[in-house]
Amino acid sequence: GNSVTQMEGPVTLSEEAFLTINCTYTATGYPSLFWYVQYPGEGLQLLLKATKADDKGSNKGFEATYRKETTSFHLEKGSVQVSDSAVYFCALILTSGTYKYIFGTGTRLKVLA
Amino acid sequence: KAGVTQTPRYLIKTRGQQVTLSCSPISGHRSVSWYQQTPGQGLQFLFEYFSETQRNKGNFPGRFSGRQFSNSRSEMNVSTLELGDSALYLCASSLAQGRTDTQYFGPGTRLTVL
Repeated sequence: GNSVTQMEGPVTLSEEAFLTINCTYTATGYPSLFWYVQYPGEGLQLLLKATKADDKGSNKGFEATYRKETTSFHLEKGSVQVSDSAVYFCALILTSGTYKYIFGTGTRLKVLA
Repeated sequence: KAGVTQTPRYLIKTRGQQVTLSCSPISGHRSVSWYQQTPGQGLQFLFEYFSETQRNKGNFPGRFSGRQFSNSRSEMNVSTLELGDSALYLCASSLAQGRTDTQYFGPGTRLTVL
């Protein structure tokens, strides 16, 4: 079936470390891919998105590339800050039938000063 | 533009009771989706409404229901509450642009069932 798989958390890093959060997907059709972020006590907000193969989404120093051949959309940041501590969700929109979001389980990131 | 608002923010109920949660979408957004977020299950899709019609539905029992009004505001109802219904309930609105659609989330309603 359709699904999004993220790496288990929590991920704990020191400030200025390199971040990778893995995301792979299974979907029929040709989905768009998203990363959402949830800061403590808040709802989710869009971080970046990519709508076709080889597209790179970027925002606030975060990047992710839509890899159709490996069905992946890994999130990266070159130098994390304490303020990046949050839960990150990978998601896709199914494009067969009515459009429907599927979210991964989320990966908690903790950045230490 | 005002964001998505959800009321109430916190709710405590006992088993067997019912509860109604409310969501006001961003002005101009016609699609409203509801999600249940728990530590163990992550974010699970409940249902989506578009122009007062339920367009998508997740795998939840019939105790969970919703509706959308002509002004796009939406309510979600849970009847005969169970302990396992304790969760953060998130509402998201969107312009329903198809495969490039971005969802805008409210802060959620934290429901505790005792």
